[in-house]
Amino acid sequence: NAGVTQTPKFRILKIGQSMTLQCAQDMNHNYMYWYRQDPGMGLKLIYYSVGAGITDKGEVPNGYNVSRSTTEDFPLRLELAAPSQTSVYFCASSNPLGPLYEQYFGPGTRLTVT
Amino acid sequence: SQELEQSPQSLIVQEGKNLTINCTSSKTLYGLYWYKQKYGEGLIFLMMLQKGGEEKSHEKITAKLDEKKQQSSLHITASQPSHAGIYLCGADLSGGGADGLTFGKGTHLIIQP
Repeated sequence: NAGVTQTPKFRILKIGQSMTLQCAQDMNHNYMYWYRQDPGMGLKLIYYSVGAGITDKGEVPNGYNVSRSTTEDFPLRLELAAPSQTSVYFCASSNPLGPLYEQYFGPGTRLTVT
Repeated sequence: SQELEQSPQSLIVQEGKNLTINCTSSKTLYGLYWYKQKYGEGLIFLMMLQKGGEEKSHEKITAKLDEKKQQSSLHITASQPSHAGIYLCGADLSGGGADGLTFGKGTHLIIQP
């Protein structure tokens, strides 16, 4: 199993550009999440999904959009990038029926908006 | 205000010494997760606690959840250079399980040889 994979690892965007951060998991997990981590801060939840076709806003959803057309993929879309979106983005997945309900994290995407 | 407070923010410990990191909430911790993050990398799951008074150990790391389920501690015995990194506590504060975790700001741990 590859676990949770994220692409790209690094990206520099200009203000106003758009991009999609890709996230995929091969563990057949129903629950998937997007977090952002700013320097010196913990992770904050952007969006989450409890299954294909179902998404919901987290704590900091403004400026982002998500879709969940399959169980495996959960892309995060940034429209009109702003410097405030400079951060490290982590995707995670979990199996609510598993013994630990552990959230598995991807390696992260480091995004800089200039 | 931060829903999950971690302390200390940073810690410098001499190799071989013991250390403790704390995670405190004003709300009930329905599930408390400890993760380790190496600089520039993803999060590695360490342990999860759910029951009041629960204690789990793995190698030299022990995590506890208090009886009231509002505070957890992570204790490392005889620290080694491999323990260096950022320790994050994450909590399920809603009890629903599906809507993600709330994280503390993290504790930066440096091990001095």
